[in-house]
Amino acid sequence: YEVTQPPSVSVSPGQTARITCSGDALPQQYAYWYQQKPGQAPVLILYKDIERPSGIPERFSGSSSGTTVTLTISGAQADDEADYYCQSADSNTTHVVFGGGTKLTVL
Amino acid sequence: QVQLVQSGAEVKKPGSSVKVSCKASGYTLTNYGISWVRQAPGQGLEWMGWINAYSSNTNYAQNLQDRVTMTTDTSTSTAYMELRSLRADDTAVYYCARASVDTAMDFDYWGQGTLVTVSS
Repeated sequence: YEVTQPPSVSVSPGQTARITCSGDALPQQYAYWYQQKPGQAPVLILYKDIERPSGIPERFSGSSSGTTVTLTISGAQADDEADYYCQSADSNTTHVVFGGGTKLTVL
Repeated sequence: QVQLVQSGAEVKKPGSSVKVSCKASGYTLTNYGISWVRQAPGQGLEWMGWINAYSSNTNYAQNLQDRVTMTTDTSTSTAYMELRSLRADDTAVYYCARASVDTAMDFDYWGQGTLVTVSS
């Protein structure tokens, strides 16, 4: 089972970036999103498709439609430049899967 | 505050084993699970498996299930991941992450990572 993300997304500062994640099990399984900056451990930024952990800015939001979930970054900032990973699970095995990651460039 | 502190970097020979530790503090280990994730140089995240720290039930990634063992020591609030028969392509940063006790998901806290280098 796989979940698929675009390898890269570019956005101008202050604009909205959208990163998609597609997978057949996404209608049945929650998606989680992680932000990873170079040399650092990943950070959870969204859980259960749309929920935001405490301390995560409101400009990060999530949505779900069918087999696709979307991470939206509204008013992107230079500090948002990072790799973003979608995570979900195989409905049959409950094995966790990560998407290949999306490199967000803010320029 | 919740912290996961991992053991230090390792250099191993092909065919040997490595055991990485992950000491949890700031919460009760048995109320959660621990997942292990690795990241090869320049590559994405790869889930290795999960252990329910309460029951010690495990769920391993299919491609690693013959070589990996995950355990916990509740007396020291420490989780361990052992990987055997190491190969060059096991060179990676290995992370532990706090996960839900009933699923392997929802990694809300991560360790700092442990670099394991496999080289002859």
